[in-house]
This record gives sequence, C-alpha cells and structure tokens, in this order.
Amino acid sequence: KAGVTQTPRYLIKTRGQQVTLSCSPISGHRSVSWYQQTPGQGLQFLFEYFSETQRNKGNFPGRFSGRQFSNSRSEMNVSTLELGDSALYLCASSSVTEAFFGQGTRLTVV
Amino acid sequence: GEDVEQSLFLSVREGDSSVINCTYTDSSSTYLYWYKQEPGAGLQLLTYIFSNMDMKQDQRLTVLLNKKDKHLSLRIADTQTGDSAIYFCAESMNRDDKIIFGKGTRLHILP
Repeated sequence: KAGVTQTPRYLIKTRGQQVTLSCSPISGHRSVSWYQQTPGQGLQFLFEYFSETQRNKGNFPGRFSGRQFSNSRSEMNVSTLELGDSALYLCASSSVTEAFFGQGTRLTVV
Repeated sequence: GEDVEQSLFLSVREGDSSVINCTYTDSSSTYLYWYKQEPGAGLQLLTYIFSNMDMKQDQRLTVLLNKKDKHLSLRIADTQTGDSAIYFCAESMNRDDKIIFGKGTRLHILP
C-alpha cells in the first residue's frame, strides 16, 4: 500500500511569489490535513479537508489556502510569500483510526 | 486553550532507558500520541493511548498517562543509536481530528 506522497520535496521561492504544494493521500483515505513545521513554532495545524470540504482550520492568515479534489488529493497554496513562510510543510492522510504523514515539502523563501 | 509542553533535549547512554515527558492542557483530549521524526523524514506514529488508559506497552515502548496531572511519558527501554530522533508528544479529540503537537524532544544517544 503506497504511503502519503508529497510533491515537490524541496522548493525555493522568492518573497512575493506564490507556491502550490501537493499531497496524495493513502488510497481510501478521505481526510487530508496540512501542518507547518518551523524551528521556532514547532508543528502547527493549518487546515483539514474531508470529502472536498474544509472541515477544520488553524490560526494562519488568509494567504494560506487549500483544496481537495474528488480523488482526495489535496493542494495547499501560499500567496505573497514571506521569509517567515520558510518551513517544512507536512501532509497527513487519515483514516478513522490513524493519521499517516508524508515526508514533507521543504519550502525556502529567499 | 490547547497546549502541549515537552523538554527540548534529552541525552541518554546507549543501553539505558530513555524517558521523555510531556504535559498537556486540554482535559477533553481523548487521544494522546507519540510521534518520531528522523532527520529529513516525516512523522512516524510510534504509539498512542486513549485518555481512559493509564499505561500501554508495545515492545520497547511504554507509555504512561496521568490524566489527573495531564502528564504523559514515553519510556524507551534499551535505547539504541537508531532511536536518535525528535520525539513529539501530541493530542487530539478524535483520531481523525486536528492534532496538537508539542515542540519535540531531541533524543541524543551517547556511546
């Protein structure tokens, strides 16, 4: 059974640009959550999608958005990038019993 | 509010037991987790415990929960070099609910 796949693994963007990250969950999982990991703030919850609907949202500005497609694949978008958005972005695919994390996308904003 | 606290560093000699401690504030948390993150990798769920349990053992791992004090610990017996990683304590209301993480404890193994 394939795990959670996040693409790309690494990304470098400049301030002001926008970025889209992708997450393919484990087959059959309908819930996808996104987390931001930084050395200062640790792991923080961004949002969760279930059956194409945002079900839960963390305390991040509106520049952070996401969506989920009918095949449960999810994308998150960050617009007008700031240096502080540099982080590891982790996606979690959940069944009713467990959350499985991908390896993350490391975004560097320069 | 929701908050999970854990110490940032722990050094243990190879072969000894490691005990990583965590406190949480949300008394309505139903699930408490320990995740492991190795360098350059994502998060791996090590174990979890329901809030109505006191203890869970899984091979070298023992989780203890003191619900009254909102204190969770992870004991790793016979610590090996492969156990070197960051260990995250976390909580959630439901298994598919958002997960609130601590900042992680970096476990360093001494030869």
